Amino acid sequence: EDQVTQSPEALRLQEGESSSLNCSYTVSGLRGLFWYRQDPGKGPEFLFTLYSAGEEKEKERLKATLTKKESFLHITAPKPEDSATYLCAVQARSKNYGGSQGNLIFGKGTKLSVKP
Amino acid sequence: NAGVTQTPKFRILKIGQSMTLQCTQDMNHNYMYWYRQDPGMGLKLIYYSVGAGITDKGEVPNGYNVSRSTTEDFPLRLELAAPSQTSVYFCASSWPGTGGTGELFFGEGSRLTVL
Repeated sequence: EDQVTQSPEALRLQEGESSSLNCSYTVSGLRGLFWYRQDPGKGPEFLFTLYSAGEEKEKERLKATLTKKESFLHITAPKPEDSATYLCAVQARSKNYGGSQGNLIFGKGTKLSVKP
Repeated sequence: NAGVTQTPKFRILKIGQSMTLQCTQDMNHNYMYWYRQDPGMGLKLIYYSVGAGITDKGEVPNGYNVSRSTTEDFPLRLELAAPSQTSVYFCASSWPGTGGTGELFFGEGSRLTVL
């Protein structure tokens, strides 16, 4: 069964304290792995797509990496405005939803709090 | 460019009542989706649409119905509301040109409580 597990569930950091969020997955043929950010009371906002092991993407203080079994979202010198829930999702090759992205499997998320 | 707009933002229903959650997007996206998000759980797909007139079930479709008469609008109908439908509902859209990028554009959500 395809599934996504994110850890930790919650992470509290001091401003400037770098850390990593983990997303481990099992999927029958990975088409892509995606990271989203969700602020309280808002919808998820797209951050990155990774397609193959060894790939890396960066955006400001965030860097996403991918291996064959997991992905990491590294946060370097975080600021309070980075506080949010970070969601990981995978898309399997085996499931066809009419070519759409309806076959994304989302993890439960990691709630990040960055204190000044 | 408003993106994906959902209404209402909040609603309280009594058991057995029915209602429609509205969703409209102004990005001319072919694909649209309805998800529900329960506390401590991942987003679950309810229904999706690949274009006007074409809809299909997702992972958790029971108790819901959808229609897609235009590219812009994708309303979600709840029939005979039950407490198990208490959740936050998100509408999303995407563009076929993104292929497998997984970039979904989400609305701000509709928080529904069934008492």
